[in-house]
Amino acid sequence: AQSVTQPDIHITVSEGASLELRCNYSYGATPYLFWYVQSPGQGLQLLLKYFSGDTLVQGIKGFEAEFKRSQSSFNLRKPSVHWSDAAEYFCAVAAPYNTDKLIFGTGTRLQVFP
Amino acid sequence: GEEVAQTPKHLVRGEGQKAKLYCAPIKGHSYVFWYQQVLKNEFKFLISFQNENVFDETGMPKERFSAKCLPNSPCSLEIQATKLEDSAVYFCASSQSESRSTEAFFGQGTRLTVV
Repeated sequence: AQSVTQPDIHITVSEGASLELRCNYSYGATPYLFWYVQSPGQGLQLLLKYFSGDTLVQGIKGFEAEFKRSQSSFNLRKPSVHWSDAAEYFCAVAAPYNTDKLIFGTGTRLQVFP
Repeated sequence: GEEVAQTPKHLVRGEGQKAKLYCAPIKGHSYVFWYQQVLKNEFKFLISFQNENVFDETGMPKERFSAKCLPNSPCSLEIQATKLEDSAVYFCASSQSESRSTEAFFGQGTRLTVV
């Protein structure tokens, strides 16, 4: 069965510091991979996605993610965090042959200190 | 519209009452999805539609949950005889492309509280 693991429940960083949020998936082949952000009281906003090709994916708001097949990982990174990045971040996967369902990780809460 | 519109934003129901949630997908989008977010973080897929046809309903609790997407009407998710464990945020998403949920846009959710 497909699953997504986000090992870090809560991360705190200082504004301006770099950020890496971890995501590991379990799937027999390479799924489609996504990162979403959820601000308090808001819906989900897609940051970036990976389907195939270049394993380093650029997204919105200065985020990027790197797909590493050997590690079954899709970690999200940002070189310099802004206070407005404080939110909940969700990694998700979908099977290429069944893209109706997104399987979400349990999320990582990012707190940013000034 | 240019965004997925979910109504109401908040809904409080007594245990055993009916709850009905609405979702207006982005104009031109053919695919609609419902997700349930419980315990703040755990997302569960409920059901997907292609136009008015159910595409995948494997996530739906069949006994009390039902959903529809009728032409020229918002889609709806209805819970008969709500239970405390139905308290959650229900998200609707819509997609235009044949890649379905891979290109989905999410609404802001309806928070259902069952007391």
